[in-house]
Amino acid sequence: GDSVTQMEGPVTLSEEAFLTINCTYTATGYPSLFWYVQYPGEGLQLLLKATKADDKGSNKGFEATYRKETTSFHLEKGSVQVSDSAVYFCALSSLGGTSGSRLTFGEGTQLTVNP
Amino acid sequence: SAVISQKPSRDICQRGTSLTIQCQVDSQVTMMFWYRQQPGQSLTLIATANQGSEATYESGFVIDKFPISRPNLTFSTLTVSNMSPEDSSIYLCSVLWGLEQYFGPGTRLTVT
Repeated sequence: GDSVTQMEGPVTLSEEAFLTINCTYTATGYPSLFWYVQYPGEGLQLLLKATKADDKGSNKGFEATYRKETTSFHLEKGSVQVSDSAVYFCALSSLGGTSGSRLTFGEGTQLTVNP
Repeated sequence: SAVISQKPSRDICQRGTSLTIQCQVDSQVTMMFWYRQQPGQSLTLIATANQGSEATYESGFVIDKFPISRPNLTFSTLTVSNMSPEDSSIYLCSVLWGLEQYFGPGTRLTVT
């Protein structure tokens, strides 16, 4: 079945540091890939997405590239801010077949950015 | 995008009781989903709720424990029945909008 593996956390960085959160996946067919962010006490927000190989999703300075050859979708940001402190979830959606459009989530990575 | 609201936002319940969580969407959507997020964990899909049909439950979740209603294209409810402390979680509804899922703010449930 489908699965998503994220780098173990938590991750603690200083403001303006470079961020990478690794995400790899296993899926049949050609899934769509997503990063969601959950700020403290809130629900999930869609951060970015990519629907086919070599697509780059980007939003709010974050970006991730759909790498089919390495089955990866790593999240990066060049300069993090304190306001980026949150839990980040990598997810995939396999359309069609028995899995329909359900999302499969990774374990989540807690990011803390210190001033 | 779709805007989703949930009620209640949080509740503390006694074991053995039931709680019904409401999910309201500002647009008509075909597919709605209910997820559970246990403390410090990722999200697990409970069931998919399409209007006009029975909900489809994932492995490990049963209708008697988590009955779902989907009376129209903008509303759904999830009931957590005969609660135990292990049911303490955040429950989130989501909707499929194009190729993307949008989530409600969640209902934080504590069972004592």
